[in-house]
Amino acid sequence: DAKTTQPTSMDCAEGRAANLPCNHSTISGNEYVYWYRQIHSQGPQYIIHGLKNNETNEMASLIITEDRKSSTLILPHATLRDTAVYYCIVQGGSEKLVFGKGMKLTVNP
Amino acid sequence: DTGVSQDPRHKITKRGQNVTFRCDPISEHNRLYWYRQTLGQGPEFLTYFQNEAQLEKSRLLSDRFSAERPKGSFSTLEIQRTEQGDSAMYLCASSPGSRVRYGYTFGSGTRLTVV
Repeated sequence: DAKTTQPTSMDCAEGRAANLPCNHSTISGNEYVYWYRQIHSQGPQYIIHGLKNNETNEMASLIITEDRKSSTLILPHATLRDTAVYYCIVQGGSEKLVFGKGMKLTVNP
Repeated sequence: DTGVSQDPRHKITKRGQNVTFRCDPISEHNRLYWYRQTLGQGPEFLTYFQNEAQLEKSRLLSDRFSAERPKGSFSTLEIQRTEQGDSAMYLCASSPGSRVRYGYTFGSGTRLTVV
């Protein structure tokens, strides 16, 4: 399974868009990009996933570059409740998700 | 639909004791997963079930660990002869089908402290 690289942490102002980057330069053709987040003392929460097209749902947008070597998760209007650890995961056929350490997003008032 | 439920939320046990955790997945989710998370780390996969069949186990799941899902509904994770290194958050997740099409829904976890 491909490895991902995320910044350790990031700050964002409340109400602004939060753009969370992820590099996955060794991704292979059948591997999906998944994003989860984990708010303190809770289990991870699924946000979105995609293969090669951009995806949008009620929580976020996922932008995947044409070469699929990187992606960006966009939270369009960050709120204080979006403060969490965000995990970018690249996974192929196996059912298990391999989480890294993720990136701590802090939304400031 | 009340989400994935885990019981207990917290467990403190003495080294050498056995503990059992329970997970109730979202009804009709046929896939159930167990993960373990230590402080400052992301969750690590332990095992997963499709209905009552245990289809994959991590090397992390030593012979002191056993998981069951007897009727394809709830699942239990038992740790025998607990060690201090077993202290962690144990997370359960469920999915209605392949992860490729659906994300997982995680429970809030059981935090185990071995003293």
